[in-house]
Amino acid sequence: DSGVTQTPKHLITATGQRVTLRCSPRSGDLSVYWYQQSLDQGLQFLIQYYNGEERAKGNILERFSAQQFPDLHSELNLSSLELGDSALYFCASSVGWGDRSYEQYFGPGTRLTVT
Amino acid sequence: QKEVEQDPGPLSVPEGAIVSLNCTYSNSAFQYFMWYRQYSRKGPELLMYTYSSGNKEDGRFTAQVDKSSKYISLFIRDSQPSDSATYLCAMSLAFSSGSARQLTFGSGTQLTVLP
Repeated sequence: DSGVTQTPKHLITATGQRVTLRCSPRSGDLSVYWYQQSLDQGLQFLIQYYNGEERAKGNILERFSAQQFPDLHSELNLSSLELGDSALYFCASSVGWGDRSYEQYFGPGTRLTVT
Repeated sequence: QKEVEQDPGPLSVPEGAIVSLNCTYSNSAFQYFMWYRQYSRKGPELLMYTYSSGNKEDGRFTAQVDKSSKYISLFIRDSQPSDSATYLCAMSLAFSSGSARQLTFGSGTQLTVLP
């Protein structure tokens, strides 16, 4: 158990809908990362938040947005869902500074199925 | 061309064998190198983390980084059936300031250790 929690575990929804994925980082970690894993694209970085502020952005679609709250949990919002958005979505967390900040610990993921 | 290339396998070995897993990369600015293990439909688990070139050993696992060749390896000694999983290499740029820490992943190598 990495200490990172994600809810829900599974989500099935229809095209055009909007969903929210939730992540709680390990105790003491200030950075939260979101990744998407699909069969054809592998594990792809979406976005990073550090202590409530956006720090890095990857290939995240405009239909997707995220935020990190004062209690450090994070939410990933996916809207106008398409079939191709079906994937595993992982949250990871790390400490704020220093060499150890490169060690990212992943949650169990949310499996999203868009029908 | 992908920034990080990894042979997807599958790789099948007998129990007790030495396993060698490899990744090559094109971005010479990568400084931090990680290996993750992912069991089916679970979150990636951090196995090894190294900075710059050199070797690092942890139990049955040894990570090697050769920055001159842009080549990293993970060796597993005395492999066990419980080692059967997908192994992902990941790497990050070094940031002298700020807190951006996104990881770029290889596509993963599927390993099966036969009893």
